Amino acid sequence: AQSVTQLGSHVSVSEGALVLLRCNYSSSVPPYLFWYVQYPNQGLQLLLKYTSAATLVKGINGFEAEFKKSETSFHLTKPSAHMSDAAEYFCAVSGAFGQAGTALIFGKGTTLSVSS
Amino acid sequence: KAGVTQTPRYLIKTRGQQVTLSCSPISGHRSVSWYQQTPGQGLQFLFEYFSETQRNKGNFPGRFSGRQFSNSRSEMNVSTLELGDSALYLCASMRAAGGVELFFGEGSRLTVL
Repeated sequence: AQSVTQLGSHVSVSEGALVLLRCNYSSSVPPYLFWYVQYPNQGLQLLLKYTSAATLVKGINGFEAEFKKSETSFHLTKPSAHMSDAAEYFCAVSGAFGQAGTALIFGKGTTLSVSS
Repeated sequence: KAGVTQTPRYLIKTRGQQVTLSCSPISGHRSVSWYQQTPGQGLQFLFEYFSETQRNKGNFPGRFSGRQFSNSRSEMNVSTLELGDSALYLCASMRAAGGVELFFGEGSRLTVL
């Protein structure tokens, strides 16, 4: 069975500070990993995805994540936070994505607050 | 290119009623998935349809059902609504088998009174 744990339901940073959102996964098959962002009253937007290519994945809006198999982690980072980054972030895992019997398993989410 | 379109965006129902939600995927996308989002349970997978066939189903009671039409548009239905069915229902589409990226709609927010 697959699962995702996001450490910290709420993270607060100052504008310009480093953003670090933590995600650990459990998967019995090589995983596909995703980070999504959700703004209030909106759907989910894909930030980046890991699909067994490069372990350091760059996404939109300056975000990146590193897949570490030994630590079963896929933490999301951004060097310098911007006010517009305030949102809820979800880590998700899927194995053999796109094939029958698969679905995204989401973490509980981390709300990022950015103060000026 | 138009995104995933969900209708209605907001609706209010009372216990015992039924509701039908609609989802139009991105043009060319043949897979449609549905997710339920609640504050308590988070995001949970409901079901996925591909070429009019349900190929995966989450752990939800039989009151939750769906279907997909030949043009890939999908509907989900919830019968005998309960208060706990109040949620944001998100639809997502994907290109085809082997695709890895889900594109989500803005959701249908259902309130059950």
